[in-house]
Amino acid sequence: GIQVEQSPPDLILQEGANSTLRCNFSDSVNNLQWFHQNPWGQLINLFYIPSGTKQNGRLSATTVATERYSLLYISSSQTTDSGVYFCAVRPFMEYGNKLVFGAGTILRVKS
Amino acid sequence: EAQVTQNPRYLITVTGKKLTVTCSQNMNHEYMSWYRQDPGLGLRQIYYSMNVEVTDKGDVPEGYKVSRKEKRNFPLILESPSPNQTSLYFCASSLLGRGGTEAFFGQGTRLTVV
Repeated sequence: GIQVEQSPPDLILQEGANSTLRCNFSDSVNNLQWFHQNPWGQLINLFYIPSGTKQNGRLSATTVATERYSLLYISSSQTTDSGVYFCAVRPFMEYGNKLVFGAGTILRVKS
Repeated sequence: EAQVTQNPRYLITVTGKKLTVTCSQNMNHEYMSWYRQDPGLGLRQIYYSMNVEVTDKGDVPEGYKVSRKEKRNFPLILESPSPNQTSLYFCASSLLGRGGTEAFFGQGTRLTVV
């Protein structure tokens, strides 16, 4: 099946710093989403981005589907950005809408 | 507000005592599914449903049942819970489309089986 790899696995930032999280996937996809899991365990939708670039406040994401990767940019990080960031994809030939998740990037923002 | 609602958020139960985790969505989505999240194993799909009365197994279905009698509801049933079902559970819904559609997740249910 499709492999989804996220890097880095862990990241510690000082408040105000910028960061880039990466998601590589091993096969064609027709859905890619970024999620933030907060300390209470909730999965928050950040972006639905099967291709192209989107921005939402301090966050932006770019997916280059032909090269099978996506990037999540966090600018001017805040302590509330701490948590785990997941990339999830729907394989192109997969029946149904099952999402395959990466292992996540654990982000800690220090004040 | 468009949302997926799970209940309860937290549950501690004893081995063998049947329980149901409810899931409801208000977006008229055809596709609904359940995932469990475990340390080191990530999120894995338990069961899914393509529409009313259409359900199928995901990657880790053992010990679980589901039903889809109405489009908005997709309960997860553990008929005889065991400690290895202690986990964080998520319900998700999306439109069913060939091109892929955005999935929305519930708030999660943290289940402990003792």
